[in-house]
Amino acid sequence: AQKVTQAQTEISVVEKEDVTLDCVYETRDTTYYLFWYKQPPSGELVFLIRRNSFDEQNEISGRYSWNFQKSTSSFNFTITASQVVDSAVYFCALSEAPRGADGLTFGKGTHLIIQP
Amino acid sequence: DTEVTQTPKHLVMGMTNKKSLKCEQHMGHRAMYWYKQKAKKPPELMFVYSYEKLSINESVPSRFSPECPNSSLLNLHLHALQPEDSALYLCASSQAREDVNSPLHFGNGTRLTVT
Repeated sequence: AQKVTQAQTEISVVEKEDVTLDCVYETRDTTYYLFWYKQPPSGELVFLIRRNSFDEQNEISGRYSWNFQKSTSSFNFTITASQVVDSAVYFCALSEAPRGADGLTFGKGTHLIIQP
Repeated sequence: DTEVTQTPKHLVMGMTNKKSLKCEQHMGHRAMYWYKQKAKKPPELMFVYSYEKLSINESVPSRFSPECPNSSLLNLHLHALQPEDSALYLCASSQAREDVNSPLHFGNGTRLTVT
């Protein structure tokens, strides 16, 4: 069975601080995909990044960066120089190849609050 | 702006009402999904349509009835709902159900309140 754990229920930081959101996953498949989604107060889930199990390269996109480590089954997300607009709930998700796109399992989410 | 459009944004209905939620996408995606999200919880899969055919029904009560009139549209018909059905209902689409690499694109959701 697959499982995604986001141990941080809520994080509150002051604007311009760096913040890391943790994600730990469990799967028995060798082929899987990891995702991060952002859900602002308006409700929609915004796709941020996808990473497959064979690509452990870290990725940077502007102020966002992701650290994928298979050895610790973690896919952590760091926001550098946080801004108020980053306030949202962030979900880490896992999809295993045999189950296809509808086999997406979400973590419980981390509510990030950026204070001005 | 999201490429998956959901209407209405908010809906309040009584337990004896019949209403419908609508979802539309024009990205050429062949898989469409309904998710239910309660407050402070992650989304939960309800239904999956693949090439306009119902592929998955995650043991959803019959008071929720999905419909996929064509590849761009997805409806969720509601009848005789209960107050505990109040939630955010999210529609999503992906290129293909079997494509695990394809991310889901979500709409803004319909916030449903059942009184």
